[in-house]
Amino acid sequence: EDKVVQSPLSLVVHEGDTVTLNCSYEVTNFRSLLWYKQEKKAPTFLFMLTSSGIEKKSGRLSSILDKKELFSILNITATQTGDSAVYLCASSGSARQLTFGSGTQLTVLP
Amino acid sequence: DAMVIQNPRYQVTQFGKPVTLSCSQTLNHNVMYWYQQKSSQAPKLLFHYYDKDFNNEADTPDNFQSRRPNTSFCFLDIRSPGLGDAAMYLCATSRGGGPGEQYFGPGTRLTVT
Repeated sequence: EDKVVQSPLSLVVHEGDTVTLNCSYEVTNFRSLLWYKQEKKAPTFLFMLTSSGIEKKSGRLSSILDKKELFSILNITATQTGDSAVYLCASSGSARQLTFGSGTQLTVLP
Repeated sequence: DAMVIQNPRYQVTQFGKPVTLSCSQTLNHNVMYWYQQKSSQAPKLLFHYYDKDFNNEADTPDNFQSRRPNTSFCFLDIRSPGLGDAAMYLCATSRGGGPGEQYFGPGTRLTVT
């Protein structure tokens, strides 16, 4: 059975801090690893990673995948209160559907 | 803009009273998914359609059914909602054969009284 584990489950930081969110996965016939941000609504797509060692970057957010060690990290630099959300990691394998982790609740205090 | 639309955004139903949630998409994606998300939990896949091919997750209760009359629309029917079915229901779409990116609708929050 495919499995995705995220850590930490929750994190509280102050504006300006840098955070690293972790995601490990066990997936049959791995195709991709995805990161989503979820506020009080549906998840919004951040990144999709398919190749090891290639960093994806969007503004203050970046993510990288290690297919050998089966994990990914999501970095957020210079955090802002608007970054407060649940960050979901999901893996895609042979069955076409996504397996989600339980998420990391990030709270950024002013 | 191409998008995934869900109606209604909020639905209140009574215990045991059938309810239907709808999802439509303008992305022309051939795969559509229904997820159930309870408070502080990850989305849980209920079923998905690959074109007209219906795929039910093994642990999806029989109480939940789905219909996909055409590429653009997909419905979630809950035949006899229980209190435990109160949740956010998310519809998502993807391009079949792709590496997995899914596009989510805004969700329908279901309350069962």
